[in-house]
Amino acid sequence: GNSVTQMEGPVTLSEEAFLTINCTYTATGYPSLFWYVQYPGEGLQLLLKATKADDKGSNKGFEATYRKETTSFHLEKGSVQVSDSAVYFCALSGPSGSARQLTFGSGTQLTVLP
Amino acid sequence: GAGVSQSPSNKVTEKGKDVELRCDPISGHTALYWYRQSLGQGLEFLIYFQGNSAPDKSGLPSDRFSAERTGGSVSTLTIQRTQQEDSAVYLCASSNPGSGNTIYFGEGSWLTVV
Repeated sequence: GNSVTQMEGPVTLSEEAFLTINCTYTATGYPSLFWYVQYPGEGLQLLLKATKADDKGSNKGFEATYRKETTSFHLEKGSVQVSDSAVYFCALSGPSGSARQLTFGSGTQLTVLP
Repeated sequence: GAGVSQSPSNKVTEKGKDVELRCDPISGHTALYWYRQSLGQGLEFLIYFQGNSAPDKSGLPSDRFSAERTGGSVSTLTIQRTQQEDSAVYLCASSNPGSGNTIYFGEGSWLTVV
């Protein structure tokens, strides 16, 4: 079945540091890949997505590239801000014709210090 | 509506009582999902509805859990004879598989069983 493995947290960085949160997956076929973010006290929000190999999703300075050869979708940001403190979830959904529900990683807590 | 709407946002119930959680998906979205997020853990898939097809109930943890979706829109998740381990945030999400299938989440219903 499908599975997602995320870098374990918590991660603590200083403001303006470079961020990488690793995510690898196991899936049949060609899934779509997502990063969701959950800010303190709020619901899950879609951060970015990629639907096919070599696609790069980007939003709010965050980027992730769909790497089929390494089955990875690592999240990166060049310069984090205090407001980026949140829990980040990597997820995948099945390709067309298969189960469409998301399979989530366990989440990575990010804290950015001023 | 503009987003996925869930109610109640918070619910405290006594062990052994039944609870109902409601989800109103984004207008036009044919797919609806329920997930559970327990404290300090990732998201656990519960059930998936797509149009008029039979729901995928493979994630329901026990027969105390059930869900229905009336008229292809609003959904109700029912937990009978609640136990303390049912305490979690119950997240509803919806998507339109015919249009990119990005899954949008509500803010969740925080359930506490005492």
